[in-house]
Amino acid sequence: DADVTQTPRNRITKTGKRIMLECSQTKGHDRMYWYRQDPGLGLRLIYYSFDVKDINKGEISDGYSVSRQAQAKFSLSLESAIPNQTALYFCATSRNTNTGELFFGEGSRLTVL
Amino acid sequence: GQSLEQPSEVTAVEGAIVQINCTYQTSGFYGLSWYQQHDGGAPTFLSYNALDGLEETGRFSSFLSRSDSYGYLLLQELQMKDSASYFCAVRDESNYQLIWGAGTKLIIKP
Repeated sequence: DADVTQTPRNRITKTGKRIMLECSQTKGHDRMYWYRQDPGLGLRLIYYSFDVKDINKGEISDGYSVSRQAQAKFSLSLESAIPNQTALYFCATSRNTNTGELFFGEGSRLTVL
Repeated sequence: GQSLEQPSEVTAVEGAIVQINCTYQTSGFYGLSWYQQHDGGAPTFLSYNALDGLEETGRFSSFLSRSDSYGYLLLQELQMKDSASYFCAVRDESNYQLIWGAGTKLIIKP
């Protein structure tokens, strides 16, 4: 089983709909992240959390919100989806060190029509 | 601001050696990371360089020169399975989170 699991893996929705992407991990890491990837671009950080009571905005947090329900769970919400939020979304975890090593889930492909 | 530059595409022959370069502009520096991503897959960590020099892990090596704000990933004895995109990333000085290059697509020909 994957150490970092994302659901759903694929989702097609319409403009204005609320969408939640969920992430759970069995690695025991405190730090969790949500990234967005668009074709031809690197990953861009949406939100990150260093523990259950810690939530921080990343580079592109507008239009998104997150919830850290437990050490193992970190969900990303789009309150009112718009077409330019069509992208591949990745959840990741890391140890409490600064080695630059992240462990990624398999990704959630979101299409907003 | 902070930015990273890497070539968008590199082509090499199976069995050969290829080098993927990354130059960065940052106010502070906390290390250069490299990741591999196959089409449709998740990024996977390859290496991290905090100090100048070469780090070797099997067929892959990563080099850093902090004075030149430059690093590279070296792949030896290329195999078809190495066809993927490779990303360099540095830590943002303001929040210590990773800033990513746009990625280099490595195409390997038989």
